[in-house]
Amino acid sequence: ETGVTQTPRHLVMGMTNKKSLKCEQHLGHNAMYWYKQSAKKPLELMFVYSLEERVENNSVPSRFSPECPNSSHLFLHLHTLQPEDSALYLCASSQDRSQGEAGELFFGEGSRLTVL
Amino acid sequence: GENVEQHPSTLSVQEGDSAVIKCTYSDSASNYFPWYKQELGKRPQLIIDIRSNVGEKKDQRIAVTLNKTAKHFSLHITETQPEDSAVYFCGAGGTSYGKLTFGQGTILTVHP
Repeated sequence: ETGVTQTPRHLVMGMTNKKSLKCEQHLGHNAMYWYKQSAKKPLELMFVYSLEERVENNSVPSRFSPECPNSSHLFLHLHTLQPEDSALYLCASSQDRSQGEAGELFFGEGSRLTVL
Repeated sequence: GENVEQHPSTLSVQEGDSAVIKCTYSDSASNYFPWYKQELGKRPQLIIDIRSNVGEKKDQRIAVTLNKTAKHFSLHITETQPEDSAVYFCGAGGTSYGKLTFGQGTILTVHP
């Protein structure tokens, strides 16, 4: 049991395609995240869902659209992406304490996205 | 917002030596400082963390020190082993919905 599972592990898509990344956590956590990991760059937070409230990084383009139907599932919908969006997309979950105090992040294995 | 600088970007040591990775942060309100290890092709995993009410924390061969006045913290690995080879990320933050800002990462290579 890995705790946080992501599918697909690898995805190749054209710039006009629409695809979705899926994440599921089996840890009973109350917060889920999408991070982008590019070569030689820090892990970049894209979206947070904490207690079902969405918090986002305002620099994330609108071609990325998150969806969190419940506390165990998180999706990242992809539409008209650009080649520079090619990266590893990591999902994570945590059990945040009161007032958003940070807890340990549990990451999935990631979805390696290539945009042609 | 928070800004985290991590150095060095690469570190090469001989097995048995110590390794030190340093991070500085900008937001004095940050109160949580984790370190994650990411082996090649695998997920990042927490190896140690520290909160701002303590100055040092140890777990076997790994230790983290925090200087809140200077706004820097460091990861110390003693008696390094080849399996310590990985990318290490520091993080700072923790004051809002668990949001963390990460450093750029350090590629540690331990030569047998």
